[in-house]
Amino acid sequence: AQKVTQAQTEISVVEKEDVTLDCVYETRDTTYYLFWYKQPPSGELVFLIRRNSFDEQNEISGRYSWNFQKSTSSFNFTITASQVVDSAVYFCALSERYGGSQGNLIFGKGTKLSVKP
Amino acid sequence: ETGVTQTPRHLVMGMTNKKSLKCEQHLGHNAMYWYKQSAKKPLELMFVYSLEERVENNSVPSRFSPECPNSSHLFLHLHTLQPEDSALYLCASSQDAGVYGYTFGSGTRLTVV
Repeated sequence: AQKVTQAQTEISVVEKEDVTLDCVYETRDTTYYLFWYKQPPSGELVFLIRRNSFDEQNEISGRYSWNFQKSTSSFNFTITASQVVDSAVYFCALSERYGGSQGNLIFGKGTKLSVKP
Repeated sequence: ETGVTQTPRHLVMGMTNKKSLKCEQHLGHNAMYWYKQSAKKPLELMFVYSLEERVENNSVPSRFSPECPNSSHLFLHLHTLQPEDSALYLCASSQDAGVYGYTFGSGTRLTVV
């Protein structure tokens, strides 16, 4: 069965520190998609990135970077030079269904990141 | 308006009340979802509608009743809720079975008293 584990429940850093949020997943499918979402205090989940199982290239977007390693079933998220506005709950998610009529994202429990000034 | 809009943002209801949550998307997506987010619990998928047909119902109690009258609107009708149903209810929409991710609304914070 598919599963997403975010072992870090809460992380607290001081502004300008780098921080890595861990995500480990389980799936029996060879085709799957991984996602990261950010949930600020307002409640809305904001899409950050999508990665398919055939693309292991790491990605960088500004201060954000993602490290996808199939060998360890991990999809970790690093924020460089963190800022107070990065404070939020971050969710990793997995989607196994491709091309079907029903998508189903499986979410981890989330990691609450607090960035202090 | 663009994106996914949920109303109301906050709702307090008694256990004998009947209320409805509304979700509207203007993205042209063909699937919509209800999720429940309780404190210290993972996001729980409640219902999935694809092309206005309910395709998944994750053993949700009958006191929650979804309705999808068209591809842009999704409702969650609430009746005789329990205090443990207090949570953030999130609506999302997607295209192509969600392989490109979901777009979420801001949620309705529900408190059952």
